[in-house]
Amino acid sequence: DAKTTQPNSMESNEEEPVHLPCNHSTISGTDYIHWYRQLPSQGPEYVIHGLTSNVNNRMASLAIAEDRKSSTLILHRATLRDAAVYYCIPRGTGNQFYFGTGTSLTVIP
Amino acid sequence: EAGVTQFPSHSVIEKGQTVTLRCDPISGHDNLYWYRRVMGKEIKFLLHFVKESKQDESGMPNNRFLAERTGGTYSTLKVQPAELEDSGVYFCASSTEASYNSPLHFGNGTRLTVT
Repeated sequence: DAKTTQPNSMESNEEEPVHLPCNHSTISGTDYIHWYRQLPSQGPEYVIHGLTSNVNNRMASLAIAEDRKSSTLILHRATLRDAAVYYCIPRGTGNQFYFGTGTSLTVIP
Repeated sequence: EAGVTQFPSHSVIEKGQTVTLRCDPISGHDNLYWYRRVMGKEIKFLLHFVKESKQDESGMPNNRFLAERTGGTYSTLKVQPAELEDSGVYFCASSTEASYNSPLHFGNGTRLTVT
């Protein structure tokens, strides 16, 4: 399974966009890129996933590099409720998710 | 729809005792997973059920852990006897498919403390 590199922490001002980067240079051609987040005292929560094309949903956007070696999760307007640890997880044919250490996002009022 | 529910939310037991954690997946989800985070570590995979069958149990740490999913609905994870290093948060997740295009839905976990 592909290994990932994410910043340990990031800060954002409330109501501003946030770009959370992830490097996954060893990703295979069939691995989907999943993003999850974990709010305090809760289980991981699905955010978005994609394979090659950029993806949008009500929570976020996912921008995937053309070579697929990196991706960026975009929160268009950060709110205090978006403060969480964000995990980038390439998911291949195995059924295990490798969470890594993620990026702890702090949203400043 | 109701999400993944886990019982209990917290459990405190003494070393050597037995604890059983329960997970109720989203109705209709054939795939059920157990994960855990022990103190200071990353969330790690334990095992995967497809209906009542164990598809992958490569993450189970040792034979003190026993997972079951009789009837393919809810699942239990028993730890017997519990050791101090078993303390952590145990998460259950479910999905409609096991493919890599299928998101997982997680419960809020059971926090287990072994004293």
